[in-house]
Amino acid sequence: GQSLEQPSEVTAVEGAIVQINCTYQTSGFYGLSWYQQHDGGAPTFLSYNGLDGLEETGRFSSFLSRSDSYGYLRLQELQMKDSASYFCAVSAPWSNYQLIWGAGTKLIIKP
Amino acid sequence: EAGVAQSPRYKIIEKRQSVAFWCNPISGHATLYWYQQILGQGPKLLIQFQNNGVVDDSQLPKDRFSAERLKGVDSTLKIQPAKLEDSAVYLCASSLGLSRGGSDTQYFGPGTRLTVL
Repeated sequence: GQSLEQPSEVTAVEGAIVQINCTYQTSGFYGLSWYQQHDGGAPTFLSYNGLDGLEETGRFSSFLSRSDSYGYLRLQELQMKDSASYFCAVSAPWSNYQLIWGAGTKLIIKP
Repeated sequence: EAGVAQSPRYKIIEKRQSVAFWCNPISGHATLYWYQQILGQGPKLLIQFQNNGVVDDSQLPKDRFSAERLKGVDSTLKIQPAKLEDSAVYLCASSLGLSRGGSDTQYFGPGTRLTVL
């Protein structure tokens, strides 16, 4: 079967760095996506890793290790507006490019 | 560029009633998805359209849920009759339908929050 695991909740302090890990088990794999969802809002795309390594966009970076079936999303210089749920999602050859979603990580930021 | 539009934003109905949701995807997006999201969980795919054809509806409870995408643009999702466990947010997303290295970024509408009493 297909499964993704990520922590249910992470707490961090404003201005700090936080990392949200995601491990996956899928038969076939294209890449790992990350989406952000604020309470009451819609998911919005953050990043995609199709190859091993690091992708950086501003304060956000995402990493993938295909050999370890592992990835992470890292947020730097945390701001209160980063308080949200973060979902990792896998796309695979058999899935018609559908996303297989994790359960999400609620990021709580304290002043 | 206009985003994905959905209506209504909120709906409250009694169990056994029917309800319909509407979605207008981003112009030019071939693929349209309907998701159900229960509080505290990730989105669960209900149905995926490519243009006006169904790609995957394996998780759609077909005894009560139906969806259509006439002319390959707008889509409607209907529930008839509704059950208490259908209370959730229904999200519509669209994408170009073209793979770039295995990625086809999805863009979501604001969702419809359904409460079944």
